[in-house]
Amino acid sequence: GAVVSQHPSRVICKSGTSVKIECRSLDFQATTMFWYRQFPKQSLMLMATSNEGSKATYEQGVEKDKFLINHASLTLSTLTVTSAHPEDSSFYICSARDLVAGNTGELFFGEGSRLTVL
Amino acid sequence: SQQGEEDPQALSIQEGENATMNCSYKTSINNLQWYRQNSGRGLVHLILIRSNEREKHSGRLRVTLDTSKKSSSLLITASRAADTASYFCATTRSNTGKLIFGQGTTLQVKP
Repeated sequence: GAVVSQHPSRVICKSGTSVKIECRSLDFQATTMFWYRQFPKQSLMLMATSNEGSKATYEQGVEKDKFLINHASLTLSTLTVTSAHPEDSSFYICSARDLVAGNTGELFFGEGSRLTVL
Repeated sequence: SQQGEEDPQALSIQEGENATMNCSYKTSINNLQWYRQNSGRGLVHLILIRSNEREKHSGRLRVTLDTSKKSSSLLITASRAADTASYFCATTRSNTGKLIFGQGTTLQVKP
C-alpha cells in the first residue's frame, strides 16, 4: 500500500514553545490530508482537513490559531502546535488520500507523532 | 459528537475463540472501514466495505454492513494472541470524504 511518513515520531517540548509535525505522502500525491488527535485510551478525533494550496478547514472546537496547518505541496502537510501547553500532549496522526482515488478512496495513515509538553 | 459507537468497549477472549465487534454510525456513508491499532502505534487498515456491499471476507476477518440499521460488525475467527489490539471502525462521509472513527474496541486475546 501507499506510504505516509510522519516526522518526528516523538517530541518533547517545554510549555510555551511551538512544535511542527510533518506529514508526507511518499509515493503518491494528495490534495487532501487529514489531521487527527488521539488521547490515551481514546479514539481518533478529526481535527482538520488540510487542502493543498488553500486554507485548512477545522472541525468544531479546534482552534485554528492554535493548530496551524500548511499544505504547501501535493506531498507535504505540516501541523504546528503553537504555544504548546501540557494539555496539548497527545498522539497526532495524519492521513492522506491519493488524489486519483477521488473523495472516498482509501486513506493511508502515518505512524503518528507523540507530543509531550512539559 | 463526531463519532459513532462501538461495542463492546473491551473484549477479552482465549486464543482460538472468535471475537465479534459491532459498530454503529449516524449519517449516510460511502464506505466503512475497520482498522487495528497496537498500543502507541499507528493504524493498520484491515478491510473496507462499500455501502452497496453486505458482507466481505479477508483471511480470518469477516465484515458485515447493514445500512438500514447503520451498523457493521467485525468478526475475527480463530483469534491469536497477536490479534490483541484496539479495533476501530471508520466511516467515510459521502459528501465530504472525511473519515470519522468510532470509539473503538480493545481486544485482548489470552494465550
